[in-house]
Amino acid sequence: GAVVSQHPSWVICKSGTSVKIECRSLDFQATTMFWYRQFPKQSLMLMATSNEGSKATYEQGVEKDKFLINHASLTLSTLTVTSAHPEDSSFYICSARDNLGQGNEKLFFGSGTQLSVL
Amino acid sequence: LAKTTQPISMDSYEGQEVNITCSHNNIATNDYITWYQQFPSQGPRFIIQGYKTKVTNEVASLFIPADRKSSTLSLPRVSLSDTAVYYCLVGDIVGSQGNLIFGKGTKLSVKP
Repeated sequence: GAVVSQHPSWVICKSGTSVKIECRSLDFQATTMFWYRQFPKQSLMLMATSNEGSKATYEQGVEKDKFLINHASLTLSTLTVTSAHPEDSSFYICSARDNLGQGNEKLFFGSGTQLSVL
Repeated sequence: LAKTTQPISMDSYEGQEVNITCSHNNIATNDYITWYQQFPSQGPRFIIQGYKTKVTNEVASLFIPADRKSSTLSLPRVSLSDTAVYYCLVGDIVGSQGNLIFGKGTKLSVKP
């Protein structure tokens, strides 16, 4: 199956700093990628849809100025958590869908990034 | 918008067959049913996908009745390493339109 690489796996930062998380599709082109966050023992919550060459679409309640998404190429999307605070500590996961354009599309997920803000 | 309902948790023993059922009463004609597996501190992993009847691959089977209002993931002879959360998703994977929503999933615990 397709491979999605996400880096870093974990990051610890001081409050007020910014953190960038990268998501790469290694063996396929992904015009659309998704970003999620997951709190302990909870399900994944979709934050935004990242579209190559255009602005991301954010879910209701997600601050677009705080969670900056850039999808500059067909294989790379980045999520930058700006001015991170302890409440932003969470597990962030990206995914990409294959681009077959058929109804049976699948999602392929990165391994996730555990962000801890001190 | 197809919402899914799954049992919160299930327990099993090694070597048993496990069946996890997902209800999706509002499934649309073009929706597919996809199951993912997630281990702690990892991203979900695709298990199986289907539209109707039965689909089988090397790790699982997916049973979908004719009305498609539910589906059952079947894991044959589970092992300890199958302990994970299993998510049932229905839709065409267009997240911002609300078609892709992760429910609470089913936490499967396999005991020796």
